[in-house]
Amino acid sequence: DIVMTQSPDSLAVSLGERATINCKSSQSVLNSSIKKNYLAWLQQKPGQPPKVLIYWASTRGSGVPDRFSGSGSGTDFTLTISSLQAEDVAVYYCQQYFDTSYTFGQGTNLEIK
Amino acid sequence: EVQLVESGGDLVQPGGSLRLSCAASGFTFSNYWMSWVRQAPGKGLEWVANIKQDGSETYSVHSVRGRFTISRDNAKDSLYLQMNSLRVEDTAVYYCGRVSEGTSVYRWIDSWGQGILVTVSS
Repeated sequence: DIVMTQSPDSLAVSLGERATINCKSSQSVLNSSIKKNYLAWLQQKPGQPPKVLIYWASTRGSGVPDRFSGSGSGTDFTLTISSLQAEDVAVYYCQQYFDTSYTFGQGTNLEIK
Repeated sequence: EVQLVESGGDLVQPGGSLRLSCAASGFTFSNYWMSWVRQAPGKGLEWVANIKQDGSETYSVHSVRGRFTISRDNAKDSLYLQMNSLRVEDTAVYYCGRVSEGTSVYRWIDSWGQGILVTVSS
């Protein structure tokens, strides 16, 4: 199985500041023939189900604010929140769908400093 | 509006069985791959199983193979997870998820239910 490793495990950022979460996969999730990375980012707020923020590594989901952006390719990916808002407090997960066995990162807990 | 509503969660003893259901509405259920994902208390997300639109292909995580079976009834717009030989470590909130539109399984989950708690304990 493809192992997804996120860093850091937890992060505290001041309101209005940038938050950056990293995700590394144990093997490439890039489909070279179509030039797409099979990587999604999800947000889970307390007591709620997850919600997809980003798919294909950099495409924002429907209704997702543009302060959220995804980047990276191959095995290394980043989720950036350009200006942290109070409602962004959540756990963030990366997930690969390159393999029939989907796998998630362990999660990054984002808090307000 | 897409709605996924799980049911069937309960407290069950180790070795017991349980069947979860997920009622789908607001979209053409038979056009989508579907998933089950679980989350143990205070832990991260773990994908459990996927099933193709017509039920002809299924995939599951190694830890549940031979014990859990994913199935669907397109006439009833419903997804199921039959769980046998349950273990304490299967305790989790189980989420039903819709895989984004397409013929391939290699796509992200774009809609999630609220989840249902399964507790395995003596």
